[in-house]
Amino acid sequence: QLQLQESGSGLVKPSQTLSLTCAVSGGSISSGGYSWSWIRQPPGKGLEWIAYIYHSGSTYYNPSLKSRVTISVDSSKNQFSLKLSSVAAADTAVYYCARRGGGFDPWGQGTLVTVSS
Amino acid sequence: DIQMTQSPSSLSASVGDRVTITCQASQDITNYLSWYQQKPGKAPKLLIYDASNLETGVTSRFSGSGSGTDFTFTITSLQPEDIATYYCQQYDNIPITFGQGTRLEIK
Repeated sequence: QLQLQESGSGLVKPSQTLSLTCAVSGGSISSGGYSWSWIRQPPGKGLEWIAYIYHSGSTYYNPSLKSRVTISVDSSKNQFSLKLSSVAAADTAVYYCARRGGGFDPWGQGTLVTVSS
Repeated sequence: DIQMTQSPSSLSASVGDRVTITCQASQDITNYLSWYQQKPGKAPKLLIYDASNLETGVTSRFSGSGSGTDFTFTITSLQPEDIATYYCQQYDNIPITFGQGTRLEIK
């Protein structure tokens, strides 16, 4: 079945850029009408949608983060990526990748990114 | 942004109880609503999509209803494995937004 796995830097210094990749296995990132998403969850708090992308490259961003976020897709590697620039402590969160049809499903296991000097 | 307001924020119920969580959208989202279950340390799991469609493999003790601005998630006969936080989420408009969550505990 389809599986997603996040990877990337777990500790990022303030003002630097957070970079994460989501590897998709068990299916093609190019198949169907799905989009591929990033969602985050600060420790002990709720869920915040960040962005999603179609394999065609069409992108949609949360306006609250848009100026700092870039999402991209690499169909040849069956993966998609997130970059978040100028990070601050408030960006500390578990970052999830997920496929979006109607709802988000499946999700990766999540990766904790801590912003600290 | 569309605000999603869940109630209650927390809930304590007994095994076998019927449990209901409500989600109100700040504007009409037709039926573009999903429900998720999240257990500690785990990713959320999709339970319901398009307000009332049960995701494949999810127990039929879970159900969803509603349209427009008012939605309901119901668990019939609460089981110990249902202890989790539940979130609603709208996908009618960008940005996609989630409710604040309902923490469900066993009494």
